[in-house]
Amino acid sequence: DQQVKQNSPSLSVQEGRISILNCDYTNSMFDYFLWYKKYPAEGPTFLISISSIKDKNEDGRFTVFLNKSAKHLSLHIVPSQPGDSAVYFCAASRSTSGTYKYIFGTGTRLKVLA
Amino acid sequence: EAQVTQNPRYLITVTGKKLTVTCSQNMNHEYMSWYRQDPGLGLRQIYYSMNVEVTDKGDVPEGYKVSRKEKRNFPLILESPSPNQTSLYFCASSPGPPVGKLFFGSGTQLSVL
Repeated sequence: DQQVKQNSPSLSVQEGRISILNCDYTNSMFDYFLWYKKYPAEGPTFLISISSIKDKNEDGRFTVFLNKSAKHLSLHIVPSQPGDSAVYFCAASRSTSGTYKYIFGTGTRLKVLA
Repeated sequence: EAQVTQNPRYLITVTGKKLTVTCSQNMNHEYMSWYRQDPGLGLRQIYYSMNVEVTDKGDVPEGYKVSRKEKRNFPLILESPSPNQTSLYFCASSPGPPVGKLFFGSGTQLSVL
């Protein structure tokens, strides 16, 4: 039972254009969401997060949108750069559960073409 | 430098031979966790620890043990490894509640023959 789903295994985007990575979740109790970026032979690194009390959070070129009614979040990268080519994981957690378990999606491989 | 350190980076072993993957963080984080990454399955949580002597199962704990005797260390123990435990393993830490971002180690590629 995949509670966090990233239905697009891969995405190719031209340099300078917008990259949109999507993530769906099934558990309405999740209230904190994070995006991580992973380069080959490295551990994932934190990119951006959003609490369920918000519907948008921005950090430079990265914006995360949260649609609670649709149980959907998306990561927008504008403009996309070749250095953004990596695997992106979304993750969800329940801050009120007391367990602090993080559930990750399966990842989307982004390729930004120069 | 703030970091999570895992060792070894690569490990090849045989079925049934006990092994330990070490994890250490220098950020005084309360929360530590282990994940495995497999193709098509993403990152799955094995065990986590809220603080010293406090550990709990994640989603795929079978065949693994952990201990948290010191705040900085969180070793992953495979008492009797099997080929289905061949995977890429990551240790992570976080400042703790409320949920915060995870800091990951560089990973340990384990092959069980």
